Amino acid sequence: AQKITQTQPGMFVQEKEAVTLDCTYDTSDPSYGLFWYKQPSSGEMIFLIYQGSYDQQNATEGRYSLNFQKARKSANLVISASQLGDSAMYFCAMGGDMDSSYKLIFGSGTRLLVRP
Amino acid sequence: DVKVTQSSRYLVKRTGEKVFLECVQDMDHENMFWYRQDPGLGLRLIYFSYDVKMKEKGDIPEGYSVSREKKERFSLILESASTNQTSMYLCASSFPSQTVLRSSYEQYFGPGTRLTVT
Repeated sequence: AQKITQTQPGMFVQEKEAVTLDCTYDTSDPSYGLFWYKQPSSGEMIFLIYQGSYDQQNATEGRYSLNFQKARKSANLVISASQLGDSAMYFCAMGGDMDSSYKLIFGSGTRLLVRP
Repeated sequence: DVKVTQSSRYLVKRTGEKVFLECVQDMDHENMFWYRQDPGLGLRLIYFSYDVKMKEKGDIPEGYSVSREKKERFSLILESASTNQTSMYLCASSFPSQTVLRSSYEQYFGPGTRLTVT
């Protein structure tokens, strides 16, 4: 069965510094996708970045990058130059090709607090 | 842009009441999902639907039912609300693609409904 693990319930980072949020996963599917979502205090889930299992390069989206290490089954989110608006919950999620029901499996989340 | 709306941002109900949470999406997505979110547990899937009148149980369906009479609308029903159903409820939709993995799984979320059962 697929599983996502986020081991950091909460993290602090100083404004303008970089921060890494950890995510490990477990799957037997050869084809899968990894997602990161941000959830501000308002509650809405915002898509940040996607990495496919066959993608040759690590995904980047502006200040967000994904450190994808396939052999270690990790997909850590790196936020560069943190801003106060980055304070939020962050969820890692995975979808697998063998599961045709198109479901995502979510981790338990990491709460990030950016200090001024 | 995809728009997913939920009928209420905040809801307070009494134990034993029947509760309806409505979700509407405007992008003709075939898949729709209901999650509940609790601290330390992440998002847990309650039910999902891949077509009108079709539904499948997720990981925690007990105490809930769903209805999908129209493609754009997916309703979550608490038949008899209990205090342990106090939670944040999130609706999402997606468009299944036969060829693009990301499109198959990327979900678009509504703003959520914070339900309190007293």
